[in-house]
Amino acid sequence: QKEVEQNSGPLSVPEGAIASLNCTYSDRGSQSFFWYRQYSGKSPELIMSIYSNGDKEDGRFTAQLNKASQYVSLLIRDSQPSDSATYLCAGDSSYKLIFGSGTRLLVRP
Amino acid sequence: NAGVMQNPRHLVRRRGQEARLRCSPMKGHSHVYWYRQLPEEGLKFMVYLQKENIIDESGMPKERFSAEFPKEGPSILRIQQVVRGDSAAYFCASSPDRGGNNEQFFGPGTRLTVL
Repeated sequence: QKEVEQNSGPLSVPEGAIASLNCTYSDRGSQSFFWYRQYSGKSPELIMSIYSNGDKEDGRFTAQLNKASQYVSLLIRDSQPSDSATYLCAGDSSYKLIFGSGTRLLVRP
Repeated sequence: NAGVMQNPRHLVRRRGQEARLRCSPMKGHSHVYWYRQLPEEGLKFMVYLQKENIIDESGMPKERFSAEFPKEGPSILRIQQVVRGDSAAYFCASSPDRGGNNEQFFGPGTRLTVL
């Protein structure tokens, strides 16, 4: 059973802090990893994708991938209340995405 | 550039009725995926289609569920004889050709309620 594991949270951080979200995966064949943000009652929105070991930065977001440890993370710098949402980690399995159950992030004003 | 479109956004059915969910992929995308999200649960893959072909339906329940993506028109997810356990949000995603990195973009979803 291929799985993606996330801590369900909630992860609570003060406004302006760095939020760190983590994810582990079991399928060593996965090549691509994705972070989606999902607001309550809305659809998932792709915010980051990462394919190679190391860091990838895009604005306030940094994704990190360590294939040896089967670990993916997302850092959100200067967190804002509008970042409060559920963050879904996903890995590809051939073409379909295997999702974690999501981590709920709460940014306190 | 319009995103993935789904309709209806909300669908209410009584037990035993049929539900038809429609999805139009983003322009230039030829790959369509359906996912289901049960209340307070994660997204689960159901089926992957290309035009006129079902590539992988390993996530679809064996009975009552079917999907198609005809040459013309939207992809359809059909649920026959719905039961209360089918109540969920059904999301469609699309991606460009296989040369890409499988980034999938989601539509707004159809929220199915079975009474």
